[in-house]
Amino acid sequence: SQTIHQWPATLVQPVGSPLSLECTVEGTSNPNLYWYRQAAGRGLQLLFYSVGIGQISSEVPQNLSASRPQDRQFILSSKKLLLSDSGFYLCAWRGAGDQPQHFGDGTRLSIL
Amino acid sequence: ELKVEQNPLFLSMQEGKNYTIYCNYSTTSDRLYWYRQDPGKSLESLFVLLSNGAVKQEGRLMASLDTKARLSTLHITAAVHDLSATYFCAVASYNNNDMRFGAGTRLTVKP
Repeated sequence: SQTIHQWPATLVQPVGSPLSLECTVEGTSNPNLYWYRQAAGRGLQLLFYSVGIGQISSEVPQNLSASRPQDRQFILSSKKLLLSDSGFYLCAWRGAGDQPQHFGDGTRLSIL
Repeated sequence: ELKVEQNPLFLSMQEGKNYTIYCNYSTTSDRLYWYRQDPGKSLESLFVLLSNGAVKQEGRLMASLDTKARLSTLHITAAVHDLSATYFCAVASYNNNDMRFGAGTRLTVKP
């Protein structure tokens, strides 16, 4: 069966520090991968999605970037975090066809 | 640009009552998804609707899709406290790669 792992579960970082969040998927090949951000009490904002290794589509211009170095690995990064980067970050994968997205447990990021 | 609107955003219900959540979207799509999110948790898939007139039911929840009206509904029958959560609809884009979510409906079921 397929599983998705996202870590860390919580993270507290100072303003201006770098960020690296990692997401890996097991049990499937060539998934579509997604990064979302959810502000407290709000909906999901699509940040990036990827349909293959090295292919990244950016939805929102900001100081975040994403990379997909391997088929089932998706990384969200920042060189310098801003206060506005606080939120709940969710990674998701989706297989071929019309399957729904499957979400990781999320990372709660607080910027101080 | 694909836009997805849900209403209401907040819904407080008495146990045993019925209600409907609405999801409108702006461009042609025949792939509509409903998710549930419990407080502090991730999202779990509830329903996948893939064609005009599609109807899916699970327990006290029933989802339907009208692609001509670009409208999906999530109907709650005889609500119980365990249904308290935030419900999201999501629509796949024309290329079926990215997904756009509604703002979510925060449902509270009161005894």
